[in-house]
Amino acid sequence: EVRLVESGGMLIQPGGSLRLSCAASGFSFSSFAMSWVRQAPGKGLEWVSGIGIGVSGDNTYYADSVKGRFTISRDNFKKMLYLQMNSLTDEDTALYYCAKSWAAGIRDYFDSWGQGTLLTVTS
Amino acid sequence: DTQMTQSPSSLSASVRGRVTITCQASQDITNSLNWYQQKPGKAPKLLIYGASDLKTGVPSRFSGSGSGTHFTLTINSLQPEDIATYYCQQYADLPLTFGGGTKVEIK
Repeated sequence: EVRLVESGGMLIQPGGSLRLSCAASGFSFSSFAMSWVRQAPGKGLEWVSGIGIGVSGDNTYYADSVKGRFTISRDNFKKMLYLQMNSLTDEDTALYYCAKSWAAGIRDYFDSWGQGTLLTVTS
Repeated sequence: DTQMTQSPSSLSASVRGRVTITCQASQDITNSLNWYQQKPGKAPKLLIYGASDLKTGVPSRFSGSGSGTHFTLTINSLQPEDIATYYCQQYADLPLTFGGGTKVEIK
């Protein structure tokens, strides 16, 4: 059974940094693209970032709203997905979901989601 | 970026009634369109991929259609357990984008 468990969300001040983690199990992690999708309180879904298979930096993609501030990475040996977030603002307040792509590419559908980890940015 | 416009933003229908949700893309995305269902307090779940392919295990009362820029999600014979918010998502290009969501309630 595919399982995705996010962690790292917390209350943090504007301008701060934080790293979210997603522990994957139940599938061949290195064979699938992964993404972070967020949902602000009471709002819709927003794709944040995605990473293809492999560990090279040229297979990472970002929404314009986080480009230059967030960095996605993966550790295939540990079966972990990460999101390093810097220069946080209150607009980054959201529930952050880790989502597995059906295939190796990011441009596909998400067939599994975690339960999310909550980031609150406030002074 | 490809903008996805969903309508309506909310609707109310009777049990066993028919529900239609539309999703309009700002440019041609061929059939690169997925539909998700999100129940309150839960993560989204995939219903339909590739505009019209039903994910295994999803009830057959759900169906998707469309191509290019106009897409439709239909729920035939609405059931109480279908109360949720539904989102479309395009994957023709990056960034991946979602529609704003349609909240479905029972009348």
